[in-house]
Order: sequence, then C-alpha cells, then structure tokens
Amino acid sequence: GAVVSQHPSWVICKSGTSVKIECRSLDFQATTMFWYRQFPKQSLMLMATSNEGSKATYEQGVEKDKFLINHASLTLSTLTVTSAHPEDSSFYICSASKIIGTAGPMWHQPQHFGDGTRLSIL
Amino acid sequence: AQTVTQSQPEMSVQEAETVTLSCTYDTSESDYYLFWYKQPPSRQMILVIRQEAYKQQNATENRFSVNFQKAAKSFSLKISDSQLGDAAMYFCAYRSGNNDMRFGAGTRLTVKP
Repeated sequence: GAVVSQHPSWVICKSGTSVKIECRSLDFQATTMFWYRQFPKQSLMLMATSNEGSKATYEQGVEKDKFLINHASLTLSTLTVTSAHPEDSSFYICSASKIIGTAGPMWHQPQHFGDGTRLSIL
Repeated sequence: AQTVTQSQPEMSVQEAETVTLSCTYDTSESDYYLFWYKQPPSRQMILVIRQEAYKQQNATENRFSVNFQKAAKSFSLKISDSQLGDAAMYFCAYRSGNNDMRFGAGTRLTVKP
C-alpha cells in the first residue's frame, strides 16, 4: 500500500491561465501532504505543507496567492497555479505520510511521493 | 535550519562493482530520520532506505546499506553489486519533528556495463 496519485502528469497551457494539480492518497489517509517544485537538474524544494481542514503553510519566498493549496479531505490536496507564466514551468511533486494510529510521531513515517506533474507554460 | 549536503554531483561505477554516495547534514535536533531516495529518468521518487537517528545499527536493504555516523553527521549510501537499473539521481533527505523534508542537491549515478 501507500500509493499517491498525481494528476495530470503533464500539462501545457498558455501564459495567464490557471492550472490545477491534484494529489490523492489512494489507499491511506493523510492529514498532511507536501508540495515540492523541481527545476531541471536541481533538487526538490519544498513549497508548502498542506494540512487537511486548515490553511497551508508556505515556505519563505513562495507566493501563497500564486500557488493556492486546498486540502479538502484526508485523501486529496490540490495545488492551483494562478495566472501562470513561463517562469512557473517546472516539475511539481506531492507527497503524503500515512496516519498510523498512535504509533509514534507522524514524521517517523516515510513520505510517499506522487509521480509528479510536468507543467509547461507557453 | 537543517541543511543536507551531497558533495558529489556525479558518480560512476562499473556494473557489479560497489559505489558509495556521500551525504552530510547539519542539525541541532537529537531525533530525526534520514533517507535516500532514487529518482530515475521517469522522475518518480523511490524510497531506497531510511535510518532512524536513535538507532546505532546501520540500515540495510538487500544491496543497499548505509554508514550512519551520528557524531559526524554523515550518512553515506553503499550500493553493492551495482546493476544497470541503479542508474539514477540519488537524493539524501532529512526529516525531523517539524515534519517537512529537506533534500540534498543530488548525485547522478552512472552504471557502466
């Protein structure tokens, strides 16, 4: 188990449009999901932490009005890139950790990653 | 803030040989987890191995093992009997009680037949 599905896998759109990316935990529940951005030949950079039922926590330098995060349920978080521009083109990856009762802090559980979304803004 | 450093941008190994990827980290926490993730060209992030900081015994997973030196804040990955399918980007990662994960810059591993 521990499958995280991300959709779409690749999207191309015109500058100025908004794009929504979905992250779903298919066989487990996750109160917290994470959104990362990865530019070519670089590492993953955490953008924000998505908490079910509350506001997301954004990393310094990430515009919360630009990257809207909604965590509506224990199995779904969405990232919307609003008014996307070519500089927003990147690979976006989400991850989630299982909730396993009271078996230790949640951060003891490994993060399971989605397959990522390649976003290309023309 | 925690930082993770991978000082080897690229490494190469002959098929069936052994290679070690280096990772160091900086933290003031006493309890944390360390991970090695593999990212093949498909860009999927695959967990290779993880180490709990409070455990002295080094983690092993088949051909993959780590050398965890807590005092030195070092966490290297050893791949034995390297296979062509091991070729990928390898990321070292750190996670502690604030819950987010910090990644190193990555090491690109090439496996020569």
